[in-house]
Amino acid sequence: AIWMTQSPSLVSASTGDRVTISCRMSQGISSYLAWYQQKPGKAPELLIYAASTLQSGVPSRFSGSGSGTDFTLTISCLQSEDFATYYCQQYYSFPLTFGGGTKVEIK
Amino acid sequence: EMQLVESGGGLVQPGGSLRLSCAASGFTFSSYWMNWVRQAPGKGLEWVANIKQDGGEKYYVDSVKGRFTISRDNAQNSLYLQMNSLRAEDTAVFYCARSKKGGGHNFDFWGRGTLVTVSS
Repeated sequence: AIWMTQSPSLVSASTGDRVTISCRMSQGISSYLAWYQQKPGKAPELLIYAASTLQSGVPSRFSGSGSGTDFTLTISCLQSEDFATYYCQQYYSFPLTFGGGTKVEIK
Repeated sequence: EMQLVESGGGLVQPGGSLRLSCAASGFTFSSYWMNWVRQAPGKGLEWVANIKQDGGEKYYVDSVKGRFTISRDNAQNSLYLQMNSLRAEDTAVFYCARSKKGGGHNFDFWGRGTLVTVSS
């Protein structure tokens, strides 16, 4: 299985801040990486797939980058509705796996 | 409007069985790979299993192999997860999720989930 290390596990930030979340793979996965946002009590929502492609309807302040083993999710200007938990997910091989999550909380 | 509605969760004793269902509507169900993803209380996401459009391919996470079986009925627009020999560590919210068409196994649409609690 491909192991994923997501960091940090917690980010304390203010509205307007730039936030960066990292996801590192135990082996190369090309660009087969997705990012999700999950709010308490809700199902996750797809933000980005193929490492850097924005899912339809997702605001442009979200962006993704990377390939191989190192990936980044950036929120350029944090909005109140962005306080949530974020997960990366690899779909290069089975079993599909998720990172441990990053909670973005209000500072 | 697209919908995925899970049902069948509940309280079950260790060693027991449960069958989850996911009813799909608002899209062509038979055109998509479908998945089950779970989340233990206060924990992260774990992919459980998926199934190809025609049911001809199925994949599972190691921890459920031999205990869980994924299936689908395209005529009924439904996805299922038969769970046997349940353990306390299977306690989780189980989500039904659709694989993005042509985009690989990332999940572009999710249900609201159904809670499975394994406890005596």
